[in-house]
Amino acid sequence: GDSVTQTEGQVALSEEDFLTIHCNYSASGYPTLFWYVQYPGEGPQLLFRASRDKEKGSSRGFEATYDKGTTSFHLRKASVQESDSAVYYCALRNVGDNSKLIWGLGTSLVVNP
Amino acid sequence: EAAVTQSPRNKVAVTGGKVTLSCNQTNNHNNMYWYRQDTGHGLRLIHYSYGAGSTEKGDIPDGYKASRPSQENFSLILELATPSQTSVYFCASGLTGNTGQLYFGEGSKLTVL
Repeated sequence: GDSVTQTEGQVALSEEDFLTIHCNYSASGYPTLFWYVQYPGEGPQLLFRASRDKEKGSSRGFEATYDKGTTSFHLRKASVQESDSAVYYCALRNVGDNSKLIWGLGTSLVVNP
Repeated sequence: EAAVTQSPRNKVAVTGGKVTLSCNQTNNHNNMYWYRQDTGHGLRLIHYSYGAGSTEKGDIPDGYKASRPSQENFSLILELATPSQTSVYFCASGLTGNTGQLYFGEGSKLTVL
């Protein structure tokens, strides 16, 4: 079945560091890929999505590019802030399956001032 | 602004007791979902619904029932609560379609003693 793998379970950075969170997927067909962010005490919320090969999604300084060749959708930000501390989830939703999202296990980002 | 409201936000129950978690959405979305979130497991789908009167089993339905009496409301029912069901539960709503995002509530923290 379809799956999403996030390599990093936890990431600790200092403010202004560069962030990369790796996301690789396995899916038949041509899924839509998502990044969600969950701040403490809240539910997850959409950061952005991408639906086509080479499409770049971006929001709040975060970005990721859909790469069908390497089946990846890595999250990057050039300069993180303490307010970016949160859990980040990569997810996919496949064509023909209108209801279920397949989630990665999440990456907890802690940014120290 | 999409709105998903869960109640109660916090609940302490005894083993063997019945627990009902309620969810209301004002988004007019077809689909609704119940997830549980546990450290090391990310978000796991318990039940979901395509519309009023329908419920479907997710990936971990054992020990849970669901009810969708209307477009707006979706309940998760634990008939005989167990300590292993101690968790944070999230309700979400979304439209049909593989590019559609999910909108989450703020979560319900359940402790079963």
